Amino acid sequence: RKEVEQDPGPFNVPEGATVAFNCTYSNSASQSFFWYRQDCRKEPKLLMSVYSSGNEDGRFTAQLNRASQYISLLIRDSKLSDSATYLCVSRGNTDKLIFGTGTRLQVFP
Amino acid sequence: NAGVTQTPKFQVLKTGQSMTLQCAQDMNHEYMSWYRQDPGMGLRLIHYSVGAGITDQGEVPNGYNVSRSTTEDFPLRLLSAAPSQTSVYFCASRPGQGYEQYFGPGTRLTVT
Repeated sequence: RKEVEQDPGPFNVPEGATVAFNCTYSNSASQSFFWYRQDCRKEPKLLMSVYSSGNEDGRFTAQLNRASQYISLLIRDSKLSDSATYLCVSRGNTDKLIFGTGTRLQVFP
Repeated sequence: NAGVTQTPKFQVLKTGQSMTLQCAQDMNHEYMSWYRQDPGMGLRLIHYSVGAGITDQGEVPNGYNVSRSTTEDFPLRLLSAAPSQTSVYFCASRPGQGYEQYFGPGTRLTVT
């Protein structure tokens, strides 16, 4: 079983839609979590960290549920430019980052 | 700042050849890492370094060597290329423990 698991998608949504991705992690010792965005054939870039109380950055909201060991990313009012692969990442007590395989989002006009 | 730079962008090798993937950063980051990204596998850590002169193995170190003689540079050496090493390689750096990681643009390697 992978330490961080994501639905690979693709999620095909129209502009303006709300879309949510979930990610589960198996290591209960994981200390912090992130969402990275990766455009096609580009490097991953940090989208946002995920805090226990949940956090929002514009149209993006991240949530962490430690009891059920999952994190989520909600994107409101989707834009064409949101089309990308979203990587769920955990950091354990060794400080190493564990990456999920990514969820692909395609926003269409 | 150029950030994290990697060369070459693309490379084709024959089985058994050796080569070095270059990585440099100009942000004075202590931590540097090499990852490979394969379809359906996600990014996997090959080797990492927490400072000049210090390196350690990641999840998939076999077939690769690293050294860190300066803070800026962290080259990855393929000793004897194999088709299983066909992948996209990303170098990354960060200031220290717990900080955001910055990735280079990647090197696409094909081994035939």
